[in-house]
Amino acid sequence: GAVVSQHPSWVICKSGTSVKIECRSLDFQATTMFWYRQFPKQSLMLMATSNEGSKATYEQGVEKDKFLINHASLTLSTLTVTSAHPEDSSFYICSARGWGAGNNEQFFGPGTRLTVL
Amino acid sequence: GNSVTQMEGPVTLSEEAFLTINCTYTATGYPSLFWYVQYPGEGLQLLLKATKADDKGSNKGFEATYRKETTSFHLEKGSVQVSDSAVYFCALTPTRGFQKLVFGTGTRLLVSP
Repeated sequence: GAVVSQHPSWVICKSGTSVKIECRSLDFQATTMFWYRQFPKQSLMLMATSNEGSKATYEQGVEKDKFLINHASLTLSTLTVTSAHPEDSSFYICSARGWGAGNNEQFFGPGTRLTVL
Repeated sequence: GNSVTQMEGPVTLSEEAFLTINCTYTATGYPSLFWYVQYPGEGLQLLLKATKADDKGSNKGFEATYRKETTSFHLEKGSVQVSDSAVYFCALTPTRGFQKLVFGTGTRLLVSP
């Protein structure tokens, strides 16, 4: 199946700093990418949907100025957590769908664990 | 609204035991239903899906039947293997096709030799 990678796999940062997480589709063109957040023992919560070349659509309750999403190419989307605080510590997962990758199926990255001290 | 409820884990089984992981849903309209599996250190992978009532999804020995009357999509496997140890997520999209996924909380399966 299609492969999606995330980088870094884990990151620790100080409160107040910004952190960028990359999501790449390795063998297909991702027309749409999704960003999820997962708390321990809870389900994945969709944060935003981004289409290549367009502004991201954020879910209700997600601060767009806090979680900056860029989907500038068909293989890369980035999530930047700005001025991170301990409550932003979580597991962030991206997924992608697009041309040459299944029947409109979403393919998931392995996730990035963010810890804010 | 749309939601998915699945049994809490972990589910601990011996190899070759029968597996059932319960999943029920609430949705308006005609949702599509999915089971995803997440192996340690990897991303979620689609395991199986069903897009309409009475459909049975199957893959790798796993099966689930879309039961509209009980709003359920229970995952079953007749004989589990150690390699099946993973976290299993039940999910839906509110309408047919792959739109926004709504996930359950996940159920960890541990299979011992």
